[in-house]
Amino acid sequence: QSVLTQPPSVSAAPGQKVTISCSGSSSNIANNYVSWYQHLPGTAPKLLIYDNNERPSGIPDRFSGSKSGTSATLGITGLQTGDEADYYCATWDSRLSAGVFGGGTKLTVL
Amino acid sequence: EVQLVQSGAEVKESGESLEISCKVSGYGFTSLWIGWVRQMPGKVLEWMGIIYPGDAETRYSPSFQGQVTISADNSINTAYLRLRSLKASDTAMYYCAIWRSGYFDLWGRGTLVTVSS
Repeated sequence: QSVLTQPPSVSAAPGQKVTISCSGSSSNIANNYVSWYQHLPGTAPKLLIYDNNERPSGIPDRFSGSKSGTSATLGITGLQTGDEADYYCATWDSRLSAGVFGGGTKLTVL
Repeated sequence: EVQLVQSGAEVKESGESLEISCKVSGYGFTSLWIGWVRQMPGKVLEWMGIIYPGDAETRYSPSFQGQVTISADNSINTAYLRLRSLKASDTAMYYCAIWRSGYFDLWGRGTLVTVSS
C-alpha cells in the first residue's frame, strides 16, 4: 500500500491528452515538492518533472506538472505510442523522514 | 557528463549477503546525495535510502531501516547497497540514482538481484 495514491491505469488515443493524479497528505505532497518519473520496462526510470512543475532539460513541453493541496497531477498532451510506460509520482514525507513513491500508473496509448 | 555505472546482475542463495555498487563519474562525488530504489518483479518503485558521501550521512525509509546498509567509498567514487540474510523476497531490480533535494535526477541502469531458496 503506497503512501501516494495513483490510478492503476489510464488510456487515451494518440494525439490526445491524459492526466495522471497523485494523492497524498499533509505530511508529504502538501508541504513538499513533487516529482514525476517515466519508467519503460527494462530501462532506468527517467525524471520528467521536478519541483512540482519544472521540466529537466530535454523533456518536451508535452509533459507538465501541477500541485494543489495534497494532490498533484501529471499532464501529457499530444500522446504518442512511445509514451506508453509506467508513470510514478514521488515526494518527501516529513513524517517518515524519507522519500515515497506512488503506486504507479500504466499509460496505454490506444 | 554525470554517469552512474552499477555492478552486474547477481544470483545468490537464501541466507547469503550481497553488496552491489554504483560508481559515479563526471561530478563531485562528495557533494551530492546518492540513493537506492527497489523494484520487485511486477511491482512498484520503492524509495530505500540515500547517502551523502561527503560526511556519510544516511537516511533510510522505515521500510528498509535495519534491513539494508548504504555506504560509500569516496576514494573510488562508489556507493554501495548491502543486503543481509537474503530471502527470495529480495529478488528485485535495484537502482541507484542521484538525489537532488527531493527528487532523483539521473539513474543507473539497475542491478538485478535474484535470490533462490
